[in-house]
Formats: sequence, structure tokens, C-alpha cells
Amino acid sequence: RKEVEQDPGPFNVPEGATVAFNCTYSNSASQSFFWYRQDCRKEPKLLMSVYSSGNEDGRFTAQLNRASQYISLLIRDSKLSDSATYLCVVNGGLDSNYQLIWGAGTKLIIKP
Amino acid sequence: GAVVSQHPSWVICKSGTSVKIECRSLDFQATTMFWYRQFPKQSLMLMATSNEGSKATYEQGVEKDKFLINHASLTLSTLTVTSAHPEDSSFYICSARGGASDTEAFFGQGTRLTVV
Repeated sequence: RKEVEQDPGPFNVPEGATVAFNCTYSNSASQSFFWYRQDCRKEPKLLMSVYSSGNEDGRFTAQLNRASQYISLLIRDSKLSDSATYLCVVNGGLDSNYQLIWGAGTKLIIKP
Repeated sequence: GAVVSQHPSWVICKSGTSVKIECRSLDFQATTMFWYRQFPKQSLMLMATSNEGSKATYEQGVEKDKFLINHASLTLSTLTVTSAHPEDSSFYICSARGGASDTEAFFGQGTRLTVV
């Protein structure tokens, strides 16, 4: 089982719709979690951190479910510019020497 | 967010030559730097992790004698691809993390290496 798993997609979503995707992680000792966005042929950029209490930033909401070991990202009122690959990142904690462990990414395509 | 500058953004070199890529944290001290490689349509693959002043830790399958990493200061790390071959052509990205070990990392702009 991969340490961090994401559905690769692509998710084809009409503009204005709401879309959500999850990321599961295997190490229960993982400490911190992040969502990054990567546009084609560019470097990943931090989208948001994921806190235990959830985190909302405009149209984006991230949730953490420690019991089931997954994090989620919800995008409301999707825009064409949201088309990108969304990468889930998990900090492995002390056992993993605090390494950042990357999911393979979920590709999102917003269609007009 | 914090700024990480990576240079050069692209390079074309002849097979057998060496290429050095620099990664600088501009507004924070990077206690840890990561080097990744990304082939087309694939996810980031961690190559090595380096902490300032100590030897880099390489991931399995990454040749440390081929990919030389130097993290001599808290703001600069370099990756040197030695004796480059066409199969080394890829997108190389560095990221830097400062402060607490559970914080996020910030990325350089990446270097597109083409070996001909």
C-alpha cells in the first residue's frame, strides 16, 4: 500500500460546480498535512495547510479525518483557473524523520 | 509565502558534462532542503533530503555520486548532475523548509534539464 494515495483523475467538472477529492495516508503518526497545486510544467505551490479543525480559505475547504486517515479538499463554485493537479502532502512525523510524503496528485479539469 | 529561488530555470547540456543547479531561500533560513525530480506526467519523486552542514540523505535508487548535493549554508543548496546522460533529462525542483519540522515547504521554480 502506498503511503499517500490519491485518485489520479482526471476529474472533469463544469465551471461553477463543486468538486471534492480525498487523499488517504497510511502512517497514523503523521503530523501535518498540506494541499499543493501544480500547474503544468510548473513547480507546486502551497494551496493550504490542513488543520485538525478543518480549514477554509475562500472557495476552498480542507478537512482532516484522523480516525479514517484521510484528508479532503472541497472546491466550491469552480473556475476555469482551478484546472490543475492537486497534490496531497503528508509530514511523516518523527518516525519518518519529518519527511514530506507526496501523493501522485489528482488532475482536475474545469470545463466551460 | 516564503520565497525560494532556483537557478537556472532551464539548461541544455551535452552528454557527459556536469550541470549545477542552485536553490536559495531568500527570506528565511532553510534548515532542510529537498531535491525532487519529475518526469512528464508523473508525480514528484524525492531524490534527497539535506540538512544544513551535514551530508544529504539519498532515496533508494538515487546515485549519490552522480547527484552531488551540497547544503553549505542556511540559504543555499546545490545539486550537481555529474556526467549527465539523456535519461537524466527531467524537471528538477528544490524545496526548502525552515523553522519547525512540521511546517510546509516552499518550492523553487524548477529547472528543466535537457541532455543532448
